[in-house]
Amino acid sequence: QVQLQQSGPGLVKPSQTLSLTCAISGDSVSNYSPTWNWIRQSPSRGLEWLGRTYYRSNWFNHYAVSVRSRITITPDSSKNQFTLQLKSVTPEDTAVYYCARSSGNFDFDYWGQGTLVTVSS
Amino acid sequence: QSVLTQPPSVSGAPGQRVTISCTGSSSDIGAGSGVHWYQQLPGTAPKLLIYTNNNRPSGVPDRFSASTSGTSASLTISGLQAEDEADYYCQSYGSSLTDYVFGSGTKVTVL
Repeated sequence: QVQLQQSGPGLVKPSQTLSLTCAISGDSVSNYSPTWNWIRQSPSRGLEWLGRTYYRSNWFNHYAVSVRSRITITPDSSKNQFTLQLKSVTPEDTAVYYCARSSGNFDFDYWGQGTLVTVSS
Repeated sequence: QSVLTQPPSVSGAPGQRVTISCTGSSSDIGAGSGVHWYQQLPGTAPKLLIYTNNNRPSGVPDRFSASTSGTSASLTISGLQAEDEADYYCQSYGSSLTDYVFGSGTKVTVL
């Protein structure tokens, strides 16, 4: 059974960097089949896919156009986890952030518990 | 902001059938990679309900079914139950350009 456990601060100041980690159990971040994703949800933007990382002999990342200039997703094979960094945050980045696994079907079959991140001074 | 359009709410009495629509375009649903549906209970993460048009993960009751045609999809709950009261989202994948897109969400109320 795959489980995703999120950790990270719930409050970030404007202009600073949001950082969240997703620890994986029951699967491996470096497996060939799945991709490892970050998704956020807010009343104004709904569910929004932010980006993914995956291993196919090399590491690859893909990011949503809306955050491409500010986002980095980093895998850590030694700890079997992956991390989201979103820099230069504004109050518009306030949302519940989820990590999620995507299978070969392009769905999201396992989700983390969610982290409410508030951007406020 | 959501790319796929869903009705904000639908309701029905216990035992009734309700259908939720999801309208996209040739760049997402019409691209043919499948439509997936999620159920979100208050305060929890979305849960995969239907994958690739009309497949149910283990444990999902067979009163949930879905279909896809062209650039639209729909989710049907047959025999509505009180525990089905939740938000429902559709999701698709277009291409490396459009990536993953979600619906705006539909709140199902059991009367």
